[in-house]
Amino acid sequence: DQQVKQNSPSLSVQEGRISILNCDYTNSMFDYFLWYKKYPAEGPTFLISISSIKDKNEDGRFTVFLNKSAKHLSLHIVPSQPGDSAVYFCAASGYWNRLTFGEGTQLTVNP
Amino acid sequence: EAQVTQNPRYLITVTGKKLTVTCSQNMNHEYMSWYRQDPGLGLRQIYYSMNVEVTDKGDVPEGYKVSRKEKRNFPLILESPSPNQTSLYFCASSLTIFNQPQHFGDGTRLSIL
Repeated sequence: DQQVKQNSPSLSVQEGRISILNCDYTNSMFDYFLWYKKYPAEGPTFLISISSIKDKNEDGRFTVFLNKSAKHLSLHIVPSQPGDSAVYFCAASGYWNRLTFGEGTQLTVNP
Repeated sequence: EAQVTQNPRYLITVTGKKLTVTCSQNMNHEYMSWYRQDPGLGLRQIYYSMNVEVTDKGDVPEGYKVSRKEKRNFPLILESPSPNQTSLYFCASSLTIFNQPQHFGDGTRLSIL
C-alpha cells in the first residue's frame, strides 16, 4: 500500500505565481516530513523539512505546511521561477530515518 | 566538496551475472541507505545501515545484499540479477540515524536483459 501519495503527477504554473504541491499520508507514526527536488540525471536534492510538532516551516521562497489531523502536507513556492521546474517528491519518516516517498509531481514553470 | 559518489552511473548487463554498485561518502556520515526509483512508485528503500557492520532491510530487499565494512562505503550487491531489477538506484547518507535530511548520489541506471 502506498503510505505517501502525491495525487498530481504534474503541475504547470506561470513564472511569478504561486506553486502549490500536495501530499497525503496514511501512517500516523510518521513524525518528520521532507520535500526533495529532482532534476533529470541528478539525485534528489533536499529542499525543506518539517517536524510533526510544527505546522509550518519557511525557508526563503519555500514554505511547507503540515495538517496532522488531515494527514496532509503541502509545499508552497512563491514566486515560482523557471529554474524551479523539476520533479518534487515528498517523503515521510517514522524512525531510523527510513524515508517513504510519494510518487513525485512534475512542476513546470512557464516564463 | 561534500558528496555521495556512486559507480557505475550506467550499466547494461544480463540475467544472472553478479554485479556490485559502489557508494562512497566523504562526510563521515553514520547512516547510509539504498533506494530504487521506478515509474509511478517514487523511491523505495532497499537496505539501510546505521553504522559499520549494522545493516537492515528496507521495504524492497529481495534480490539484494549490502555490506558496511567501512564507514564511508556501502556497496549494493546483486548476486543473480533479474530483469525486474532494472531500475534507477540511489545511494544516500545522513550524519546520524535520527530523522534529518539525507544526501543523495546522482544515481545508477541498471538495465538487466
